[in-house]
Amino acid sequence: AQSVTQLGSHVSVSEGALVLLRCNYSSSVPPYLFWYVQYPNQGLQLLLKYTSAATLVKGINGFEAEFKKSETSFHLTKPSAHMSDAAEYFCAVTWSGTYKYIFGTGTRLKVLA
Amino acid sequence: EPEVTQTPSHQVTQMGQEVILRCVPISNHLYFYWYRQILGQKVEFLVSFYNNEISEKSEIFDDQFSVERPDGSNFTLKIRSTKLEDSAMYFCASSERFMDEQYFGPGTRLTVT
Repeated sequence: AQSVTQLGSHVSVSEGALVLLRCNYSSSVPPYLFWYVQYPNQGLQLLLKYTSAATLVKGINGFEAEFKKSETSFHLTKPSAHMSDAAEYFCAVTWSGTYKYIFGTGTRLKVLA
Repeated sequence: EPEVTQTPSHQVTQMGQEVILRCVPISNHLYFYWYRQILGQKVEFLVSFYNNEISEKSEIFDDQFSVERPDGSNFTLKIRSTKLEDSAMYFCASSERFMDEQYFGPGTRLTVT
């Protein structure tokens, strides 16, 4: 069965430091992978997506993620954290033949001044 | 930028009452979805809807739930007889084509007392 695991429900980084949010997936078929961000009292906003083209995917707000099949990972990174990056981040997986996304439990990012 | 909207933002209802959650998907989108997130848990898929019929549903989406597109702009989720465990944030989403990224609304927080 397909699933997503996000390691670390809470991550704190200093402003200007590297952001690394971890996502590992389990899928018996080629996955499509997504990162969404949720700011307080807002909906889920798409950051980036992997759909079997380039393995390094660039998204909005300076975020990027790399699909590594051998590690079944799709970690989200940003070279330099801004205060405005503080939010909750969700990794999600889907696959051909289904309409649903399966989400991870989310990682709340805190950026320290 | 087009966005998915949902009303109300917060709904309080008594156990056993019917509730209708409303969504206006992005205007040129053809696929519609409902997800829910119980406090502290994962975002879970409920149902997808295309061409005026349910295309996929989860085991959560039992006979107490129904969806409808009553006109050309709205998409609704009805819970016939609410239970305490239906308390959650309900997200509507839409996509233009099958397997396109899904765009999420801000959610409706449903509280069943």
